[in-house]
Amino acid sequence: RKEVEQDPGPFNVPEGATVAFNCTYSNSASQSFFWYRQDCRKEPKLLMSVYSSGNEDGRFTAQLNRASQYISLLIRDSKLSDSATYLCVVNKDDKIIFGKGTRLHILP
Amino acid sequence: NAGVTQTPKFRVLKTGQSMTLLCAQDMNHEYMYWYRQDPGMGLRLIHYSVGEGTTAKGEVPDGYNVSRLKKQNFLLGLESAAPSQTSVYFCASRPLRAEGYTFGSGTRLTVV
Repeated sequence: RKEVEQDPGPFNVPEGATVAFNCTYSNSASQSFFWYRQDCRKEPKLLMSVYSSGNEDGRFTAQLNRASQYISLLIRDSKLSDSATYLCVVNKDDKIIFGKGTRLHILP
Repeated sequence: NAGVTQTPKFRVLKTGQSMTLLCAQDMNHEYMYWYRQDPGMGLRLIHYSVGEGTTAKGEVPDGYNVSRLKKQNFLLGLESAAPSQTSVYFCASRPLRAEGYTFGSGTRLTVV
């Protein structure tokens, strides 16, 4: 099993819709979790941290389920500017492991 | 603050040539990382450093060497470049508390 797995997509979603991404990780001792956004030919940028209690930032909600080793990201009222690749990131000790990313296309 | 700065931004090498990629951060971060990103492969860790004077191997270290002589700089060296090392290289840093990582804007390297 890969350390961090994501559905590569692409997800083609009409503007205004709600879209959800999932990510699973294999190491139960993983310590911290993040979602990053990467635009084409740009560096990844931190979108939000993920906590067991769930956290929300505007239209974005992230959730961690440690028992199932599962991370989710929900985007509500999607905008054209949300089109990007979303990377699930898992940290254990000194290493950070990236998923391969899920591509999202928001359609006008 | 400049954050994380990578130089050069672009480079074309001939097979067998050597070069050094420089990563500099001005945030006093302890941890620094070098990744490569290839289509369909995602970001793969090459080497990393947990502090000045220390380095460790990541997932794909072969063909690369690194040095962290100063806390703010992390150098990635290619002693004898190969076409398989054509990639986009990203440097990242983070503080001791694992609350987010800052990336440089990347170096696009082509080996012909």
